[in-house]
Amino acid sequence: AQKVTQAQTEISVVEKEDVTLDCVYETRDTTYYLFWYKQPPSGELVFLIRRNSFDEQNEISGRYSWNFQKSTSSFNFTITASQVVDSAVYFCALSEEVRRALTFGSGTRLQVQP
Amino acid sequence: DAGVTQSPTHLIKTRGQQVTLRCSPKSGHDTVSWYQQALGQGPQFIFQYYEEEERQRGNFPDRFSGHQFPNYSSELNVNALLLGDSALYLCASSFSGGGGADTQYFGPGTRLTVL
Repeated sequence: AQKVTQAQTEISVVEKEDVTLDCVYETRDTTYYLFWYKQPPSGELVFLIRRNSFDEQNEISGRYSWNFQKSTSSFNFTITASQVVDSAVYFCALSEEVRRALTFGSGTRLQVQP
Repeated sequence: DAGVTQSPTHLIKTRGQQVTLRCSPKSGHDTVSWYQQALGQGPQFIFQYYEEEERQRGNFPDRFSGHQFPNYSSELNVNALLLGDSALYLCASSFSGGGGADTQYFGPGTRLTVL
């Protein structure tokens, strides 16, 4: 069975600090897909990134970067120079080749203080 | 280009009643998935519709049913409402043409309160 664990329930930082959100996943499939979504107070889940299991290249997009390590089954998300607008709940999710449904972690609430 | 839309935004029902939630997918998308998100938790997969048929289903009772129309829009129906059905219901759309898992884009959700 597939499972996603986000051990950090809540993180609070001061603006301009760097912060890393952890995600550990479990799956028996060799082909799978990992995602990060942001959920601001409005409630809508905003897609941030998708990673395929056969592509371990790290990715950077502006202040966001993702570190995918198959050896440790982790897909961590780092925000550099955090801003108040980054305050939200962040979800890591997993789907498999055949089972297309997303399995979400329990989320990490990030609060960025001014 | 309109994103995923859902209606209504909020809904209040009493136990035992029935409810219908609606979703219009993003332009160009042909697949609709529904998720239930209880307060403080991650979304849980209910089911997915493709080509007007239920393609996958999560661990939800038969009280939860759905439908997809020829224009790809979808409805989620919940019968015999329980207090525990109170949650944010999220619809996600995707395009199934590429093979493998498809990126799902979410709507703003419908907040259902059961009294």
